[in-house]
Amino acid sequence: NAGVTQTPKFQVLKTGQSMTLQCAQDMNHNSMYWYRQDPGMGLRLIYYSASEGTTDKGEVPNGYNVSRLNKREFSLRLESAAPSQTSVYFCASSEAPLRRRGSYEQYFGPGTRLTVT
Amino acid sequence: RKEVEQDPGPFNVPEGATVAFNCTYSNSASQSFFWYRQDCRKEPKLLMSVYSSGNEDGRFTAQLNRASQYISLLIRDSKLSDSATYLCVVTPPRNAGNMLTFGGGTRLMVKP
Repeated sequence: NAGVTQTPKFQVLKTGQSMTLQCAQDMNHNSMYWYRQDPGMGLRLIYYSASEGTTDKGEVPNGYNVSRLNKREFSLRLESAAPSQTSVYFCASSEAPLRRRGSYEQYFGPGTRLTVT
Repeated sequence: RKEVEQDPGPFNVPEGATVAFNCTYSNSASQSFFWYRQDCRKEPKLLMSVYSSGNEDGRFTAQLNRASQYISLLIRDSKLSDSATYLCVVTPPRNAGNMLTFGGGTRLMVKP
């Protein structure tokens, strides 16, 4: 049971380049999330997918797109990278959306460290 | 004002010490509360939920004060392995969406 996996672990991009961050979970969870973590800012939600086939914006969605490819996989795309997108990106999953009692625990992947120059 | 605020620290304590962190939240209708732990350059992991009546898990005690809108985490008999960043997490009011709100974290360093 690998839990939540993310690729790549590290990436350096030039301004204007595009890339896709991959995330997969093997826990049969319904909900998946993408966060970014910057020093002193805490984790901020970029996009989430409450269930297969749905996606919604989080707190900081500008400059990103997502695809819930199937129940296991949720990818994050940067179409035109900017230095402000330099951050650590975490994918997470949970059994169910927050509205269901007892399903709040989110399991995080190991993160992708992205630098945009 | 940030929705969830924490003292970033670091809190430097000797092994065996008792240390406490507070976290304040701005939305009085927030529903649920948690502490996550994050080791250096690793992903966050759930440490414990925080219940209205307070709860304890071994050396860790979490308390909620809704009137003053803060939660606390007390660690007794600190171990070197407790060195980490502790994230306060708050869920929105019922029917207000699916987002967890994370505080910026409090860094704890336990020294020999």
